[in-house]
Amino acid sequence: AQKVTQAQTEISVVEKEDVTLDCVYETRDTTYYLFWYKQPPSGELVFLIRRNSFDEQNEISGRYSWNFQKSTSSFNFTITASQVVDSAVYFCALSRVSSNTGKLIFGQGTTLQVKP
Amino acid sequence: DTGVSQNPRHKITKRGQNVTFRCDPISEHNRLYWYRQTLGQGPEFLTYFQNEAQLEKSRLLSDRFSAERPKGSFSTLEIQRTEQGDSAMYLCASSRTGATEAFFGQGTRLTVV
Repeated sequence: AQKVTQAQTEISVVEKEDVTLDCVYETRDTTYYLFWYKQPPSGELVFLIRRNSFDEQNEISGRYSWNFQKSTSSFNFTITASQVVDSAVYFCALSRVSSNTGKLIFGQGTTLQVKP
Repeated sequence: DTGVSQNPRHKITKRGQNVTFRCDPISEHNRLYWYRQTLGQGPEFLTYFQNEAQLEKSRLLSDRFSAERPKGSFSTLEIQRTEQGDSAMYLCASSRTGATEAFFGQGTRLTVV
């Protein structure tokens, strides 16, 4: 069975602090995709990143960085110098390559509040 | 290139009534997905279309739920005889065949009273 766990329900930080959102996944597949989505109060899930299971290189995009460690089945997301606009619910998700459907299995989400 | 559009954004209905939601995917996206999200939880997969064919349905999709995608363009999700447990956000997403990134609409928030 596939499962994604985001143990942090809510995180509150002060603007300019760095924050890391944890994601742990379970799958027996050898190939899969991992994703992060952001859900602002408007409700729309915004795609942030996709990572292929074969690619363990960390990625940085502006203030965002992602640490993929296959050995610990983790795909953590760090926001550097957080801003109030980063306040949202963040979801980690898993997709099976073998099913070829693109169906996403989401974690429970982490609510990030960035205070001014 | 407009995004995924969902209508209505909000729906309040009395228990036992039928409701229908519409999703217009990004044009030329062959795949269309419906998810349900309850308060404090991540979205859960309901069903998936490849063009007009409904290829997978979750066990969450009871007999009271039906989804269609005529002509492989927009999709509708109908809930018959609504129950309070159906109260949730219903999200639609679309993607190109072979692509892995799905793009989501803003959802339809259903409240059953």
